[in-house]
Amino acid sequence: EVQLVESGGGLVQPGGSLRLSCAASGFTFSSCAMNWVRQAPGKGLEWVSTISGSGSSKFYADSVKGRFTISRDNSKITLYLQMNSLRAEDTAVYYCAKASGSGIGRFDTWGQGTLVTVSS
Amino acid sequence: DIQMTQSPSSLSASVGDRVTITCRASQGISNYLAWYQQKPGKVPKLLIYAASTLQSGVPSRFSGSGSGTDFTLTISSLQPEDVATYYCQNYNSALGTFGQGTKVEIK
Repeated sequence: EVQLVESGGGLVQPGGSLRLSCAASGFTFSSCAMNWVRQAPGKGLEWVSTISGSGSSKFYADSVKGRFTISRDNSKITLYLQMNSLRAEDTAVYYCAKASGSGIGRFDTWGQGTLVTVSS
Repeated sequence: DIQMTQSPSSLSASVGDRVTITCRASQGISNYLAWYQQKPGKVPKLLIYAASTLQSGVPSRFSGSGSGTDFTLTISSLQPEDVATYYCQNYNSALGTFGQGTKVEIK
């Protein structure tokens, strides 16, 4: 069974940092691009970042570019999102999602999400 | 960047009704269009990809169509378990933009 489990969310002050993790199982991790999607309370889905299967290509939404860094460790079958200079508007549930292939593709499996709250 | 615009933003229909949701891309995306369903308090779930291909396990009352810039999601006979917010997504580029969502309720 394909499974994604996020962790690392919590309460952080504005300007602070947080690192999210997404542990994967049940598929060939290195063959699939991975993504982060967030959802602010009561709002819609917002794509945040994508990383290719090899990790060589990375893409970011304008809203997080320069502050967030996506990475992956294929030996540990884990996806990461390093979030720096956090703002109140970054408050959201963060989902990791598996793409259907090694590059850009539909998001066929989602984790349960981890809540990030940015507040003083 | 490609923008995705859904309409309506919400709708209310009776059980058994045919429901149609539209999604328009700001530029052509061929058929790189996916639809997701998010039930209240739940994780999003892939319903349709490549504009019209049903994901495994999705009921056949769901269907998708379109190409280029205009797409539709149709529920042929609305069921109580279809209460959810539906999102379209462009995956033609690396920027996997979502539409703003359409909330479907039972009248």
